[in-house]
Amino acid sequence: GEDVEQSLFLSVREGDSSVINCTYTDSSSTYLYWYKQEPGAGLQLLTYIFSNMDMKQDQRLTVLLNKKDKHLSLRIADTQTGDSAIYFCAESNDYKLSFGAGTTVTVRA
Amino acid sequence: GAVVSQHPSRVICKSGTSVKIECRSLDFQATTMFWYRQFPKQSLMLMATSNEGSKATYEQGVEKDKFLINHASLTLSTLTVTSAHPEDSSFYICSARSSWGGIQETQYFGPGTRLLVL
Repeated sequence: GEDVEQSLFLSVREGDSSVINCTYTDSSSTYLYWYKQEPGAGLQLLTYIFSNMDMKQDQRLTVLLNKKDKHLSLRIADTQTGDSAIYFCAESNDYKLSFGAGTTVTVRA
Repeated sequence: GAVVSQHPSRVICKSGTSVKIECRSLDFQATTMFWYRQFPKQSLMLMATSNEGSKATYEQGVEKDKFLINHASLTLSTLTVTSAHPEDSSFYICSARSSWGGIQETQYFGPGTRLLVL
């Protein structure tokens, strides 16, 4: 959606960290999400962050939220080939999700 | 937990026929289910919000008579594409929001249904 923006492509070497960035416009968003979509599949919820938090870590995933700048990022440590997918950032307001266009992450050996 | 299934996973039909897609929450009750459409290499477009026992709320530009939604129980919603035409070919994804516990705004997605209208 036009309210959520992401870069479209990211290429990363296996074992390196990936950082996917997202900006959003709705300051009243309560939760922000990262979803992963593999080819031909639905969306898998990776992680989420409540809007009053600025960081959340979950194993290899780290989410950073800068509410002032309305900037969200997802860092994947030690990126593996299985991490190749499209990653969608989404904001939640009034129980509806607004998605970004998705960032295609390609992991190269 | 929080598993959502869709059936069928893919369907090919002739132009003019109707196609029904089912969305089920397998291990939780879903107050609300959502239907999305996704074009190749694009994001998800919300079509409608479906609440159990009431009429669906359609997004602007979505024809409610063409995309019939029924949410008969807390675990099942169906989307029927009536008189399908080639331009209706797309990937349809449903999601469900839990009616209890957890983060109630979180949506869990089905695996999607690929529709091809010839």
